[in-house]
Amino acid sequence: DVKVTQSSRYLVKRTGEKVFLECVQDMDHENMFWYRQDPGLGLRLIYFSYDVKMKEKGDIPEGYSVSREKKERFSLILESASTNQTSMYLCASSSPGQRYGYTFGSGTRLTVV
Amino acid sequence: GENVEQHPSTLSVQEGDSAVIKCTYSDSASNYFPWYKQELGKRPQLIIDIRSNVGEKKDQRIAVTLNKTAKHFSLHITETQPEDSAVYFCAASSRSGGSYIPTFGRGTSLIVHP
Repeated sequence: DVKVTQSSRYLVKRTGEKVFLECVQDMDHENMFWYRQDPGLGLRLIYFSYDVKMKEKGDIPEGYSVSREKKERFSLILESASTNQTSMYLCASSSPGQRYGYTFGSGTRLTVV
Repeated sequence: GENVEQHPSTLSVQEGDSAVIKCTYSDSASNYFPWYKQELGKRPQLIIDIRSNVGEKKDQRIAVTLNKTAKHFSLHITETQPEDSAVYFCAASSRSGGSYIPTFGRGTSLIVHP
């Protein structure tokens, strides 16, 4: 089974803090994604990466950045957290051919106070 | 970019009834259509998928149909059970560079009453 692990299940941060969300996958997948999940809005793509050191903006990249220094790890960075970034963040990975679809992590519920 | 519309947002059925969730997409280049089930407090998990060269796919009580001409696809669950209660997401994937990038619908909350 592909495992996608997110380092924190719950996080509480203060407005203006720099926040790091970490994601690690163990199946040598090339593609990794960060989504934000909000009630009624579904899953919205923040950033994705199809290779080490490569990144592409998704639909809602504003206020976020990412880092992929190693194939198995994809980090989401909130440079200066704001209350409107309170949300559930989901990481996912897939192989290029998408033979088995996407595998999601368990999510990090971030609250910015 | 791709736009995926999903309906209904909430679906309430009695145990044993069938449930149908419908999605439409806008990008005719999309060619991979997965469905995910997310139980309360858990991660989304792939339950079935279909590729553009196939019109229908079944797996026990669930089936997906695809109409490429009309750009819509549907999830069918027969003989629903309380454990089918969850949020279901459809997605349409189109190629971006060397990768497939999914666009998700907003989700359908399915409630199966015993």
